[in-house]
Amino acid sequence: DAKTTQPPSMDCAEGRAANLPCNHSTISGNEYVYWYRQIHSQGPQYIIHGLKNNETNEMASLIITEDRKSSTLILPHATLRDTAVYYCIVTPARGTSYGKLTFGQGTILTVHP
Amino acid sequence: DSGVTQTPKHLITATGQRVTLRCSPRSGDLSVYWYQQSLDQGLQFLIQYYNGEERAKGNILERFSAQQFPDLHSELNLSSLELGDSALYFCASSVEVAGGRDTQYFGPGTRLTVL
Repeated sequence: DAKTTQPPSMDCAEGRAANLPCNHSTISGNEYVYWYRQIHSQGPQYIIHGLKNNETNEMASLIITEDRKSSTLILPHATLRDTAVYYCIVTPARGTSYGKLTFGQGTILTVHP
Repeated sequence: DSGVTQTPKHLITATGQRVTLRCSPRSGDLSVYWYQQSLDQGLQFLIQYYNGEERAKGNILERFSAQQFPDLHSELNLSSLELGDSALYFCASSVEVAGGRDTQYFGPGTRLTVL
């Protein structure tokens, strides 16, 4: 599985954009980048995913570099409720490891008033 | 609300005992996944079932077993419990997308405390 590297923690002011980086330099051509977040001890919440192109949904935007070695999750207007651990995950291609999400330590995002 | 339900929410038991955790996937999802989250190990994949069949296995202990029933709900059985089994146990479900990735949606979890 491709390994991901994320900063352990980040701060953001409420109302500002939160930009969470992720390095995945060993990603394979058919592997997707997924972002989940976990608020306190709740179940991980799906945010967004992408393969090559930038993606946007009602929660966030995902910017993937052209070489696919890194990506950035953007929360355009962070609120206090966005305080959570954010996980960047590269999913394995279909095969024996298919289906397994490998969670790293993630980034603890703290949104301040 | 992800649509995945898990029962019970909390479970307190003693060492050596056996417990069963239950998961109901989202309507239409054929795959069920189990994950364990402990303080020292983080979130770890245990096992995946697809339409009743075991599909992928992670670092699941031999004392743990799972199954998926014809109605697609799944149960995770933990036996000979040890203090170190105290953790949050999450279930996730997904639907297979031809040629693409299957997004997993997680339930609220079961908090297991072994005393």
